[in-house]
Amino acid sequence: QPVLTQVPSASASLGASVKLTCTVSSDHITYAIAWHQQQPGKGPRYLMNLTRDGSHSKGDGIPDRFSGSSSGTERFLTISGLQSEDEADYYCQTWGPGVVVFGGGTRLTVL
Amino acid sequence: EVQMLESGGGLIQPGGSLRLSCVASGLTMTNHAMGWVRQAPGKGLEWVAAITGSGSGTYYADSVRGRFTISRDTSKNTVYLQMNSLSAGDTAVYYCVKTGERRVVFFDYWGQGTLVTVSS
Repeated sequence: QPVLTQVPSASASLGASVKLTCTVSSDHITYAIAWHQQQPGKGPRYLMNLTRDGSHSKGDGIPDRFSGSSSGTERFLTISGLQSEDEADYYCQTWGPGVVVFGGGTRLTVL
Repeated sequence: EVQMLESGGGLIQPGGSLRLSCVASGLTMTNHAMGWVRQAPGKGLEWVAAITGSGSGTYYADSVRGRFTISRDTSKNTVYLQMNSLSAGDTAVYYCVKTGERRVVFFDYWGQGTLVTVSS
């Protein structure tokens, strides 16, 4: 089954941009993923799905500041113009025959 | 507008059973795969189970297979998670999720969650 790897933490300054990475196991390089955001004390929220070629479709109400891209086994979530409410845990998710997998999550701190 | 409301969580002793429910509105359940994802205190997200839009396919994480059963009642627009032989490792917030199609793909909507605590 696929494995998703995320670095545990990241930080960036208010107003800056940050690029979070989700690495798909090499045997599953063609797999699409989804990004989810979980703000402190809240449930997760779907942000977007992201294909191998970088095309993505965002959920309802997700600001233009959030975008996705891909390169090889890496799937990226870029947040531009960071705001304080972007401080959250970010999880990637993928799926295969009869299985769903989450990455370990990246905690983003906005400085 | 889609809404999904979980219920049924609570405090249960080890070895006990519990049934979670998720009532969905604003969608036709047969058009969407549904599932459950849990999050232990201070931990990340863990997929638990899923059921296809047709209802013919059910899938489970290795950690719960044989103990948990996902089912649904389309007449009530409700998905259930029957949990048996519970242990402390099952303590978590359980979220109901849906996908945008009949297959189990990415989850595009999350419920608010219900807390299950397994403790004596």
